[in-house]
Amino acid sequence: DIQMTQSPSVLSASVGDRVTLSCKASQNINKNLDWYQQKLGEAPKLLIYFTNNLQTGIPSRFSGSGSGTDYTLTISSLQPEDVATYFCFQYNSGWTFGGGTKLELK
Amino acid sequence: QVQLKESGPGLMQPSETLSLTCTVSGFSLTSNGVGWVRQPLGKGLVWMGTIWAGGSTNYNSAVQSRLSISRDTSKSQVFLKMNSLQPEDTGTYYCARHVGGYRGSFDYWGQGVMVTVSS
Repeated sequence: DIQMTQSPSVLSASVGDRVTLSCKASQNINKNLDWYQQKLGEAPKLLIYFTNNLQTGIPSRFSGSGSGTDYTLTISSLQPEDVATYFCFQYNSGWTFGGGTKLELK
Repeated sequence: QVQLKESGPGLMQPSETLSLTCTVSGFSLTSNGVGWVRQPLGKGLVWMGTIWAGGSTNYNSAVQSRLSISRDTSKSQVFLKMNSLQPEDTGTYYCARHVGGYRGSFDYWGQGVMVTVSS
């Protein structure tokens, strides 16, 4: 089974900061990776699909990149409403979520 | 509009069989796959399994021996059954729609149903 490792597990940043979250797969996943945002008490929401495609309705400050085993979610200018836990999800071989990165305001 | 809603018992005893229903609207189960995702309290997401538009299923190997996912397309319902429940099966269970014709992304999610396994 493919393992997905997210780092850091907790990230503190200030409003306006550029924020980068990482996700590493245990083997090549050929860009078959999504990013989800989960706010407290809510269901997850799809942000980015197939590595770098912005889901409809998601602000353009969110972007994704990567290839092979290493993938990144970037928030260009952190907003208060971005406080949430972010999960990566691979579907290249089986289906596996990463452990999540909790994003907090400093 | 697309909606998914989970239902089922909130409290279960160890060794019992869990039965959850996901009732969908706004799309056809013959056009999109529906998956189940579990989230233990305060922890991460775990994909449990999926029933695809054609009716085939895939399961997480960690629970495959205990899990069954089926559907009734006429009622727009997807069912999860998991036997031999243990306290570690406690958590919120979500059903979610896979993007049509695509064995990846979940584009719509239900609100989730909390299941507690305790004696």
